[in-house]
Amino acid sequence: DSGVTQTPKHLITATGQRVTLRCSPRSGDLSVYWYQQSLDQGLQFLIQYYNGEERAKGNILERFSAQQFPDLHSELNLSSLELGDSALYFCASSVAVGWNEQFFGPGTRLTVL
Amino acid sequence: AQTVTQSQPEMSVQEAETVTLSCTYDTSENNYYLFWYKQPPSRQMILVIRQEAYKQQNATENRFSVNFQKAAKSFSLKISDSQLGDTAMYFCAFMPPLGGAQKLVFGQGTRLTINP
Repeated sequence: DSGVTQTPKHLITATGQRVTLRCSPRSGDLSVYWYQQSLDQGLQFLIQYYNGEERAKGNILERFSAQQFPDLHSELNLSSLELGDSALYFCASSVAVGWNEQFFGPGTRLTVL
Repeated sequence: AQTVTQSQPEMSVQEAETVTLSCTYDTSENNYYLFWYKQPPSRQMILVIRQEAYKQQNATENRFSVNFQKAAKSFSLKISDSQLGDTAMYFCAFMPPLGGAQKLVFGQGTRLTINP
C-alpha cells in the first residue's frame, strides 16, 4: 500500500458525459501528479500540482482539467468523454522539491461506452 | 524532449534464472533520474529501483540491480534468482533534474513472465 488513495476504482460512463476522479496523496506529500495509461499511448504524464498550484503540464487535453485543494487532495475532471478516453488513470504523490520518488495510487479504470 | 525506449515487448524465463531487461533513453540533460517500475496484474505501479545520473555506482536492491551506462544512455535491469512473483510489466522511466517539471517519462514496457 503506497498510502495514495484514489476513488472510484472503476467508472463506466457514456460518451459525452463528464466524470471526476479523486486522489488523496500520502500524508505530508505536497505534490500530486496525474498519469494516463492506455493501450494506444502507454503511460503518459498529464499534469502536476504542487501545494495547490499547477506546476507542470503534459499531454493533457483541453477537455480535461485538474485542481488541488487546500487539504492537498486533487481531482481530475474529464468532460465530453470519447471512447478513446477509456484508460487507467493514476495519481501519484511526492514530497516534491528535493525528493524525486513518486508513489502511485491504485488507479481508476475509466470505461467510456 | 526526452524519450525512453524498451526494445523487448515480451520476455519469458524459467524460475530461478537471471533475466535482463533493456532500456535506452535520449536526453540532453546531465543530471537526471532513472527508475524501473513494476506493474503486476493488480495494475499497481511499484517502484523497483532508482538511479541518480550523477552516481557512477550501479544501484542494487536485493535481487534487482541495474547496469547504468551514462555515455551510452542505457539503463538495464537485472533480476537474479527470478521468482514467480516477478511476473509483471516492467517500465523504465526517466525524470528530468529537480527544479523543472518532475514528470516521469515512461517506456512502452516489457512484459516479463516467469515460468515454474
